[in-house]
Amino acid sequence: AQSVSQHNHHVILSEAASLELGCNYSYGGTVNLFWYVQYPGQHLQLLLKYFSGDPLVKGIKGFEAEFIKSKFSFNLRKPSVQWSDTAEYFCAVNANNNDMRFGAGTRLTVKP
Amino acid sequence: NAGVTQTPKFQVLKTGQSMTLQCAQDMNHEYMSWYRQDPGMGLRLIHYSVGAGITDQGEVPNGYNVSRSTTEDFPLRLLSAAPSQTSVYFCASRGPWDTGELFFGEGSRLTVL
Repeated sequence: AQSVSQHNHHVILSEAASLELGCNYSYGGTVNLFWYVQYPGQHLQLLLKYFSGDPLVKGIKGFEAEFIKSKFSFNLRKPSVQWSDTAEYFCAVNANNNDMRFGAGTRLTVKP
Repeated sequence: NAGVTQTPKFQVLKTGQSMTLQCAQDMNHEYMSWYRQDPGMGLRLIHYSVGAGITDQGEVPNGYNVSRSTTEDFPLRLLSAAPSQTSVYFCASRGPWDTGELFFGEGSRLTVL
């Protein structure tokens, strides 16, 4: 079955620490990959996306993600987190035109 | 810029009651969808529509109905609410395929007692 896995349910970091959130998917063929962020009490917003080309994509607020096709992975990174990055992060995969599947989410808490 | 608007934001129902969650978008998007968000399970697709008059089932369609009579509106109906439908519901629309980005409403928190 098609699925998206996020390995970390809750990550707690201190400000200035580096962040890496894992995402793996089980779709075959061509996929489009996304990371969305949900700040407390808000709706989901797009952080970054990968369709094709350079597998290292840069998004808003200093986030980046790397697509590794051989590992079916699309991990999210940020060199130095801030308190304002506290949020829930969702990896999403679109393997056809109409069905965007989301991972279970990773809650990030950044301590000031 | 209104974007995607959902109503109501909060609703409490008793088991067996029916209700409709409203969703409207003003971006002329053909694609619209409904997700439910539950702790530890992320977002799961309920139903989606690729244009007026066309709807299809997603991952968890049971207990929900949708219709798409106009491009702007995509209501989600619960015909006989059950406690298992307690969740936060998000409507989303998508622009041209080559952007792929979903635009979400602010969510509707539904509690079924």
